[in-house]
Amino acid sequence: EVQLVQSGAEVKKPGESLKISCKASGYTFTNYWIGWVRQMPGKGLEWMGIIYPDDSDTRYGPSFQGQVTISADKSIGTAFLQWSSLKASDTATYYCARLNTGMNYWGQGTLVTVSS
Amino acid sequence: EIVLTQSPGTLSLAPGERATLSCRASQSVSSSFLAWYQQKPGQAPRLLIYGASIRATGIPDRFSGSGSGTDFTLTISRLEPEDFAVYYCQLYDTSQFTFGPGTRVDIK
Repeated sequence: EVQLVQSGAEVKKPGESLKISCKASGYTFTNYWIGWVRQMPGKGLEWMGIIYPDDSDTRYGPSFQGQVTISADKSIGTAFLQWSSLKASDTATYYCARLNTGMNYWGQGTLVTVSS
Repeated sequence: EIVLTQSPGTLSLAPGERATLSCRASQSVSSSFLAWYQQKPGQAPRLLIYGASIRATGIPDRFSGSGSGTDFTLTISRLEPEDFAVYYCQLYDTSQFTFGPGTRVDIK
């Protein structure tokens, strides 16, 4: 069974760094792109970027280039999303999803709250 | 970058009625790369349709997708109580995975 299990909710202060994770199981991790999607409170879905874990080829959505870093560790079947300096506007739920024909498997989401 | 717009913003219907949701692209896209998702409150999105018209695994046949070029449609033939949710279209290829703003289907 394909599963994507994300790390737990985080509460951070502006300016702090953060790295959240998405652990894949039930399939060959290196064979599929993984994407990250942001959903701000009460808002729609925004594509942040994707990574191919086999070679770490990464592409970012235009609104997120330079704002976040997407990475993957194929030895542990896990993708990551990280910030070097959080802002209050980063408060959102972040989803990872496996790409095949569309995003056909999703993690449960990680709620990130940034508040002073 | 291609922009997707969805209409209407909200659709108020009764159970048993037919729902027709529209997704329009700012330029012609390959239907091979158009998907629809359903999202319920507090849940992750669920893939319904890919390739514009192909139902994902386990999706009931009351859901159907159609369209080509710039205009795509998701139809729910007879709304069940569990179908009241927000629906998003998405363009997916190797360079962009843009979502539309969503259509909320709520109970009339």
